[in-house]
Amino acid sequence: QQQVKQSPQSLIVQKGGISIINCAYENTAFDYFPWYQQFPGKGPALLIAIRPDVSEKKEGRFTISFNKSAKQFSLHIMDSQPGDSATYFCAASIGGSARQLTFGSGTQLTVLP
Amino acid sequence: GAVVSQHPSWVICKSGTSVKIECRSLDFQATTMFWYRQFPKQSLMLMATSNEGSKATYEQGVEKDKFLINHASLTLSTLTVTSAHPEDSSFYICSARVRERYTDTQYFGPGTRLTVL
Repeated sequence: QQQVKQSPQSLIVQKGGISIINCAYENTAFDYFPWYQQFPGKGPALLIAIRPDVSEKKEGRFTISFNKSAKQFSLHIMDSQPGDSATYFCAASIGGSARQLTFGSGTQLTVLP
Repeated sequence: GAVVSQHPSWVICKSGTSVKIECRSLDFQATTMFWYRQFPKQSLMLMATSNEGSKATYEQGVEKDKFLINHASLTLSTLTVTSAHPEDSSFYICSARVRERYTDTQYFGPGTRLTVL
């Protein structure tokens, strides 16, 4: 059972554009939602995370929007740059922090120069 | 942030041999480490949770006798793939959980690419 569904599978954006990746979850016990960035041949790195008590969190060019009633959350990358080209994973966990993560299927982002 | 290293970064072995992968937390102590497996263009699948000084907890479908995990110290966990076969070829990633500012964070290692011939 896939508990975190991620879309799209791949995304191509022009430099300076906005990249949007969406995730939906099923388990209402999830209460911690991080996003990870992974470059080829490397391990994932934490980008930004949110808890259900807020609807939006922004860090630099990265913003998480969270809709608790719809059980959805999304990552917005503003002013996308070629260096942002990577695979992005959403994840979810119970316990308010990264105790044990369930990952989405990943989105391969390509930002064209 | 905290740094997690893995060794080796890549390994090629013959079918039937055993391979050991090390995961180290370099500047912090981790009571809990996780081992993931990732196939090309796929997500990370949790294999097991490793707690220092106790037996690892394996996810459903992961063979305990094939993927031996040892967490002998607060900075080192090892994954041994026993009698490896070509279907075990994959990217293996560890992570270490650390308590930071009243919350748990997982830091991931760079991964180990295993190719079994």
